[in-house]
Amino acid sequence: AQSVSQHNHHVILSEAASLELGCNYSYGGTVNLFWYVQYPGQHLQLLLKYFSGDPLVKGIKGFEAEFIKSKFSFNLRKPSVQWSDTAEYFCAVNWSSASKIIFGSGTRLSIRP
Amino acid sequence: GAGVSQSPRYKVAKRGQDVALRCDPISGHVSLFWYQQALGQGPEFLTYFQNEAQLDKSGLPSDRFFAERPEGSVSTLKIQRTQQEDSAVYLCASSLGNRGGTEAFFGQGTRLTVV
Repeated sequence: AQSVSQHNHHVILSEAASLELGCNYSYGGTVNLFWYVQYPGQHLQLLLKYFSGDPLVKGIKGFEAEFIKSKFSFNLRKPSVQWSDTAEYFCAVNWSSASKIIFGSGTRLSIRP
Repeated sequence: GAGVSQSPRYKVAKRGQDVALRCDPISGHVSLFWYQQALGQGPEFLTYFQNEAQLDKSGLPSDRFFAERPEGSVSTLKIQRTQQEDSAVYLCASSLGNRGGTEAFFGQGTRLTVV
């Protein structure tokens, strides 16, 4: 079955620290990849997406992610986090053979001011 | 409206009661998705519509769950004879393109509590 794994359930960082959140997905052919963010009390919002082309994609608020096909990974990174980055982050994958987008279980990011 | 709108925002139902959750997608969006999000978990796929056609309902947990989108716009998720395990946030999302290959925009969700 198609699946998405986020290994970090809760990450706690200090402001200005660097961030990397892991995301791995199961093999299933061509994929479209997403990172969504959910700030407290708000709805899911798209941070960035990868469909094709340059495997290093840049999103909003200084986030970026790298698609490594050989590792079935799409890790999210940010060089220097801010307190306002406190949120839940979800990796999501659409296999082109399917209609649905499958989400990982999420990573809660807490930033110490 | 500018975004995906869901109503009600909160619903408390007695066990055994039927509920109906509404989703107004972004105008012109072809695809519509329903997800169920339990506390501390990621959204779990329930069903997918392309216009008025329900193309994938593989995620509906039981025959108590039913979704429709009769005119290819507004969608309703109905849960019959609610159970405590149905308590969750129900999310609706829409996207401009077909299937899951384009960006999906999410609503605020409906938090259902079954008591």
